[in-house]
Amino acid sequence: NAGVTQTPKFQVLKTGQSMTLQCAQDMNHNSMYWYRQDPGMGLRLIYYSASEGTTDKGEVPNGYNVSRLNKREFSLRLESAAPSQTSVYFCASSGLGQGGTDTQYFGPGTRLTVL
Amino acid sequence: AQSVTQPDIHITVSEGASLELRCNYSYGATPYLFWYVQSPGQGLQLLLKYFSGDTLVQGIKGFEAEFKRSQSSFNLRKPSVHWSDAAEYFCAVGGTSNTGKLIFGQGTTLQVKP
Repeated sequence: NAGVTQTPKFQVLKTGQSMTLQCAQDMNHNSMYWYRQDPGMGLRLIYYSASEGTTDKGEVPNGYNVSRLNKREFSLRLESAAPSQTSVYFCASSGLGQGGTDTQYFGPGTRLTVL
Repeated sequence: AQSVTQPDIHITVSEGASLELRCNYSYGATPYLFWYVQSPGQGLQLLLKYFSGDTLVQGIKGFEAEFKRSQSSFNLRKPSVHWSDAAEYFCAVGGTSNTGKLIFGQGTTLQVKP
């Protein structure tokens, strides 16, 4: 079991360039999430997908788009990168427990720098 | 509004000393509570979680946390800290929605002195 995998691990972009961050999970989880982590701000939810075929905005969705390609894969796209998007990006997945929320499992992160 | 507050941004303790990291939450429904740890350059790993039942929960690496509903708190404790515990710790709250979303605190960085 690889758990949650993310590619790439590191990326440097110039302002205005586009890129897609890939995420895959092999735990048969319904829900997947994209977060960004910035110093002193904890983790902020960008987008999430509660189930295959659905996506919803989180706390900071501006400048991003997502695709839930299938149950395993959830990608995050930056159409026109800006320096404010320099951050560490984490993908996570979770099953749903009896009452709803269950443990989220995190990938190793992608460190993105936008010049 | 739903929120999680970790009042201590940075804590330094000596190796072998006890540790308590504070977490307060504001949540309108029954809270499901989590503590995660993040080592430098790594993703987040679950330490422990509370859904219901016994309010004192045990986790990995010798950590425990106590849920106090009256104080809206879920503090993390360890009786004797090891140098390898140096990391960032995040408290999170979720609930009974079918989205599985969590709200994270801003994190507490733990430094361990030899």
